[in-house]
Amino acid sequence: DQQVKQNSPSLSVQEGRISILNCDYTNSMFDYFLWYKKYPAEGPTFLISISSIKDKNEDGRFTVFLNKSAKHLSLHIVPSQPGDSAVYFCAKGGGSSNTGKLIFGQGTTLQVKP
Amino acid sequence: NAGVMQNPRHLVRRRGQEARLRCSPMKGHSHVYWYRQLPEEGLKFMVYLQKENIIDESGMPKERFSAEFPKEGPSILRIQQVVRGDSAAYFCASSQMDSYNEQFFGPGTRLTVL
Repeated sequence: DQQVKQNSPSLSVQEGRISILNCDYTNSMFDYFLWYKKYPAEGPTFLISISSIKDKNEDGRFTVFLNKSAKHLSLHIVPSQPGDSAVYFCAKGGGSSNTGKLIFGQGTTLQVKP
Repeated sequence: NAGVMQNPRHLVRRRGQEARLRCSPMKGHSHVYWYRQLPEEGLKFMVYLQKENIIDESGMPKERFSAEFPKEGPSILRIQQVVRGDSAAYFCASSQMDSYNEQFFGPGTRLTVL
């Protein structure tokens, strides 16, 4: 029962262009979604989050959009930079039971070419 | 203001040995979470602990795995009689009370079972 899915294992974009990473989810009413970035041999680093009561959250070059009817969220990075090259994980948290468990997608490897 | 610390960073064990992974949460954080990342997969929740309490261990294998977070000292994830399938990266995260969704991750321990 995969509650969070990232269907694109990899994405390649040119420096300066927009990167769009996608994530689909199931089984949520009042959830909280997060994006993490991960470099090789390091732990995930929190990027940006969004509560299910919102449909957009922006932080600098990073914007997360939440489409509740489609159960879909996306992370936009504009403009993309070579240092953004990493694995990006979306995760679902919160929920009525609120156990603290984060459920991660499989990750998308972003490569930004100079 | 040190982040989440994990040690060792790399651990090699032979089949049948025990592995002990340690995690010191960020200062002021009282909640600890353990996740496992198998090759080519996302992070999978294992266990959520507060001081001297296991809150949610729904992701822990039923046998050979145990976790604790004592009143003093780091959290320990213990794997007895390791098998090759236990080879993975184990990440610890911590959060403040009532901020379950804002988890900060350590660099991970990469366990290799020969």
